[in-house]
Amino acid sequence: NAGVTQTPKFQVLKTGQSMTLQCAQDMNHEYMSWYRQDPGMGLRLIHYSVGAGITDQGEVPNGYNVSRSTTEDFPLRLLSAAPSQTSVYFCASKRLGDGTDTQYFGPGTRLTVL
Amino acid sequence: GENVEQHPSTLSVQEGDSAVIKCTYSDSASNYFPWYKQELGKGPQLIIDIRSNVGEKKDQRIAVTLNKTAKHFSLHITETQPEDSAVYFCAAVSSGSARQLTFGSGTQLTVLP
Repeated sequence: NAGVTQTPKFQVLKTGQSMTLQCAQDMNHEYMSWYRQDPGMGLRLIHYSVGAGITDQGEVPNGYNVSRSTTEDFPLRLLSAAPSQTSVYFCASKRLGDGTDTQYFGPGTRLTVL
Repeated sequence: GENVEQHPSTLSVQEGDSAVIKCTYSDSASNYFPWYKQELGKGPQLIIDIRSNVGEKKDQRIAVTLNKTAKHFSLHITETQPEDSAVYFCAAVSSGSARQLTFGSGTQLTVLP
């Protein structure tokens, strides 16, 4: 299994540009999520999904959109990038209902918005 | 919602010494507390976890303790090695069907040779 994969690894955008961060998992996990990591602030939840067709907001959802059309994929869209969105983004997944609560993280995407 | 505080933010120890990282949480309904290790340029990886029905759990050189009354939990690393150098995050899982993770702010551990 590849686990959780993310593309791209690095990205530089100009203010106002749009882009999509890709996330895929091959573990058939129901739950997928996006976090952003900023210095001194740990990881903060942006959006999450408990299954195909179901998404919900996390702690810091403003400026981001998500969709979940398949179990495997959970893309994160920035419609109009802002310098405040400069961060490292992590996707994670876990199985629901088996009592383990273990989340598996991808390698991250480092985004810089100029 | 849940709030997790983590201390210290940086920790330097000599190789072979022990390291302790402490976290407190606010939601008394939280019942799962994982610890993640993040190496430079990589995603966080689970190293140990504890549930609220246990007070202590050990896995080789790593142990975690939980005090539900005081709402705090700690990570203990004994006989530290240079490869233990990384950022460590504590987290708490909130109640609710999706059981969200709330992370502490992280501790940069440096093991000096």
